Formats: sequence, C-alpha cells, structure tokens
Amino acid sequence: AQSVTQLGSHVSVSEGALVLLRCNYSSSVPPYLFWYVQYPNQGLQLLLKYTTGATLVKGINGFEAEFKKSETSFHLTKPSAHMSDAAEYFCAVSDPGSGGGADGLTFGKGTHLIIQP
Amino acid sequence: DSGVTQTPKHLITATGQRVTLRCSPRSGDLSVYWYQQSLDQGLQFLIQYYNGEERAKGNILERFSAQQFPDLHSELNLSSLELGDSALYFCASSLMDGGNSPLHFGNGTRLTVT
Repeated sequence: AQSVTQLGSHVSVSEGALVLLRCNYSSSVPPYLFWYVQYPNQGLQLLLKYTTGATLVKGINGFEAEFKKSETSFHLTKPSAHMSDAAEYFCAVSDPGSGGGADGLTFGKGTHLIIQP
Repeated sequence: DSGVTQTPKHLITATGQRVTLRCSPRSGDLSVYWYQQSLDQGLQFLIQYYNGEERAKGNILERFSAQQFPDLHSELNLSSLELGDSALYFCASSLMDGGNSPLHFGNGTRLTVT
C-alpha cells in the first residue's frame, strides 16, 4: 500500500518569497509522482509529474519539484510567489506496478497556499 | 480548459432522492474516473472506467453506481441521498489506463443535500 503525506494543511508566504510545499510518500516500489493545483471553484490541474529520468522536474507557472529517493520526498518549490499562486496543491503517487487503474493513484490531503501581499 | 465537461455545475436536492451526474471526457481519452471531495474526507476515489468497462473501485457506496457509455461519456448515479453525501464530485479522464497517464479534471458538480 502507498500513502502520501503533505506537511502543513496551510502554508502562508509573502509575495515574492520562496514557496516550498512538502510531500513525502511511502511506496514499496519507485513510484510515479505528481503535483496538481486546484483553484477556487475549479477542478485539479496537473502542475508537473515525475516518472523516470531527471529527478528535477519543471512544471507550469514556474514551479518545479525534485524527486529524492533517499528521503522519499517530492517537494514542490517556486522561487518567487505571485498572488495568482494562491490555491490548493495536491501531491499524488502512482504505483507503476499496479497494473493500471486509479486504485493505484493516491492523493495527499492537500496544502492550501496563501500569498500575503 | 481541461476539455472535461461536467453537468450540472450545481445540484440541490432532498434526502432520499436520486440524482445523476454526467461527464464527457476529453476528446480521445478512454479512461474516466469519479472522485468525491469533501472538507473532512479530502479527495476520495470512487470508481474508474476504461473504454466502457469498470476498471477499478474505490470508496464507492452501494447506493452509488456509475457507467460509461459507448460514446465514452459517463454517468454517476447517487440514490437514497443522505446529508453526508453533500460534496463536490469530480470527473477526470486520461488517455491510458492509469500508470503515468495524468488525469484531466472537470470543474466538478457541487451536490447539496438538504
């Protein structure tokens, strides 16, 4: 069984400051990893994903995440926060050996990012 | 715009009633997923269909059912509704069957049971 832990249900940063959203996972095999963003009254949108290869993954809107196997982490960062980044962020893990099916995809509980002017 | 269309956007109904939520996946996507999002439970996977066949089941109640039609649109049927069923219901679609195929989410149907 796999699980995802997002540390901090709410994170507040000042506009222009570094954004760091933490995600740790547990999985018996090297997983596929995803970050999704949810803006108010909208569905989730894929920010970035890691499957294989380079461990530093760049996504949309200036976000990036680094897969660290030794730390079982996939933290999301952005060098300079913008007001438009205020949203809910979800980390998700998929087991490549699950044979497919959404029962192999597990979401974290989400982190609400607040941007202070 | 994700290309996934969900109708209706809002639904208000009474306890004991039955409702149907509809989802049209992104063009070309064969997999459809249903999720329930609530404040206390977070994002819960309900069920997945792939090319018309049920592929995976999550935390879906027996009062709930779903199907995917030949044109690949899907419907989620919720019956004998209870107050606790009030939530945001999302449909998502993907090209392939799970794995590293990312999900594309619709904007959801907000269900309020009174």
